[in-house]
Amino acid sequence: TQLLEQSPQFLSIQEGENLTVYCNSSSVFSSLQWYRQEPGEGPVLLVTVVTGGEVKKLKRLTFQFGDARKDSSLHITAAQPGDTGLYLCAAPTFTSGTYKYIFGTGTRLKVLA
Amino acid sequence: GAGVSQSPSNKVTEKGKDVELRCDPISGHTALYWYRQSLGQGLEFLIYFQGNSAPDKSGLPSDRFSAERTGGSVSTLTIQRTQQEDSAVYLCASSSFPRGKASYEQYFGPGTRLTVT
Repeated sequence: TQLLEQSPQFLSIQEGENLTVYCNSSSVFSSLQWYRQEPGEGPVLLVTVVTGGEVKKLKRLTFQFGDARKDSSLHITAAQPGDTGLYLCAAPTFTSGTYKYIFGTGTRLKVLA
Repeated sequence: GAGVSQSPSNKVTEKGKDVELRCDPISGHTALYWYRQSLGQGLEFLIYFQGNSAPDKSGLPSDRFSAERTGGSVSTLTIQRTQQEDSAVYLCASSSFPRGKASYEQYFGPGTRLTVT
């Protein structure tokens, strides 16, 4: 069974602090995605990384795909209250002829003003 | 443009009753997914429709759960004889399925919050 473990599960920080969220697996993936979900809404895609070692930046968010394509990290610089939400990683799997995504366990972030 | 819509947004039902949850995907998207999310946790895959292919039902937790997709568009998730452990947010997502690409984006609806009392 392919699993995506995220850590930490919960994180509460003050505005302006930096943080890193991790997504780990024992499986190798062809790509990995990060989504953010706000209360009462569905997840929204932030980024897709496809190459081992790839680094992508989205304003204050930096995403990295591990060299072995088994793990990924999300680093937020100078967090703001608007960054509050549930962060989910997702990776594609191909089993029994079906190509679909599995999602990580999630990291719930709260940024205090 | 219109995104994925789901109805109802909230549903409270008594244990043992049947419920139907509806999903309207983005027009033209061939793939449709149902997920279950408990207590703001990660997403649990339920079922996947892709075009005219047979659906992947491998994530349905029991035979009380079923889903259909009519005309390749609207989908309905039905839960029969609901139990308290069925209480969760049910999310629907749709996507196009670009051949040759390593990944694709799923567009999610806002979800239906189901509470079984």
